[in-house]
Order: sequence, then structure tokens, then C-alpha cells
Amino acid sequence: QKEVEQNSGPLSVPEGAIASLNCTYSDRGSQSFFWYRQYSGKSPELIMFIYSNGDKEDGRFTAQLNKASQYVSLLIRDSQPSDSATYLCAVNRYSSASKIIFGSGTRLSIRP
Amino acid sequence: DVKVTQSSRYLVKRTGEKVFLECVQDMDHENMFWYRQDPGLGLRLIYFSYDVKMKEKGDIPEGYSVSREKKERFSLILESASTNQTSMYLCASSNRGRADTQYFGPGTRLTVL
Repeated sequence: QKEVEQNSGPLSVPEGAIASLNCTYSDRGSQSFFWYRQYSGKSPELIMFIYSNGDKEDGRFTAQLNKASQYVSLLIRDSQPSDSATYLCAVNRYSSASKIIFGSGTRLSIRP
Repeated sequence: DVKVTQSSRYLVKRTGEKVFLECVQDMDHENMFWYRQDPGLGLRLIYFSYDVKMKEKGDIPEGYSVSREKKERFSLILESASTNQTSMYLCASSNRGRADTQYFGPGTRLTVL
């Protein structure tokens, strides 16, 4: 079992709709959860982080965390073509707070 | 503005050559990381440094070494490059403590012939 699992996609969503990206993790001791966006040919950039159970909203983005189910999700409302990218879920390892493990990413495509 | 720079965007080397990849950050971060990114495998941690002259192996350290003589600079060394080290190499830095945001450099696309 991978430590951080994501569906590789591609996930195709019409413009203006809600895109829902999901991630599961295996380390129950993980405390910090991140979503990075990576455009083709570019390096990852942080969109959001979340530490507590529940929802965290930032503009069109909402991160959701459920530690009991070991599940993290990212919702993108009013999806735009510029949201087309690969989204990487990342989780810290309990054994080393500073190190994070990345999922292999979900490719999101917003169709006009 | 936060900045992580890497010495080269593209690099082509021959099997058996010694390869140096350099990374510099200007944010006074304690932690620095080297990853490689391959299709379908995601980002995999090669080495991590949490302080000057301190290093820790990541998930795939075989065939690599690192050097951190100054806080702002973290070098990745391929002692004898092999074709299976052809990859995109990404450097990142972060503050110490509970896993903090990692800031990435632009990446180096290394091809080993």
C-alpha cells in the first residue's frame, strides 16, 4: 500500500463546475496535510494546508480532512481552464515532522 | 519574494560522469530537500538536510550523496551517473518544525546517455 494514494486521472470537469480531488494516507500519526498544484513543465506550488479535522476554505478552494477515515480532499469551485494541472496531495510522516510524502498526483482537466 | 534557484534547467551527461546539482535558497530556511520526479511515481525524496553539515537519507538515496556547507546551499552529487538516474530533479526548502510549506526550485531535467 502506498503511503499517500491518489487517483491519477485524468479527471475532466466542465468549466464552472466543482472539481473534487481525493487522497488517502496510511500513517495514522500524520499531522499536516498539503495540496500542491503543478502545471506541466513547472515545479509544485502550495495551494492549501490543513491540520485539523473539518473544512478549510480559501477563495475557490476548500480542503477537507477526516483523520478517522485517513482521507483528505480538495474542492475547487467555479472551475476555470487555468485550474487544469496536476494536483499533488502531501502528508507529513509522524516519525519526522519536517518531511512530507507526496502522492503521485491527479491530473485535472477543465473543459470549456 | 521567496526564491529557490537551481544551477541548471537542463543537463546532459554521460554514463559514469560525476554530476553536481546545486540549489540555493534566500529565505534563511533550515530545511532543504532533494527530490526526483518520474512519471507515475510522483515526487520521491532522495536526501534531506535540517541544518548545515547535517543530512538524512530519504526514500531513494542509493547512487546519490549531498553536501551542505552553508545554510543557503544544498548540493546533490551523482558520483557515477547511470541511465536510470535520468529524471527531473527538484530542490525544496522549508522552515524547521511541524511540516511547513515547502518552496520548490524550477527543477533540473537531467538526461544521462
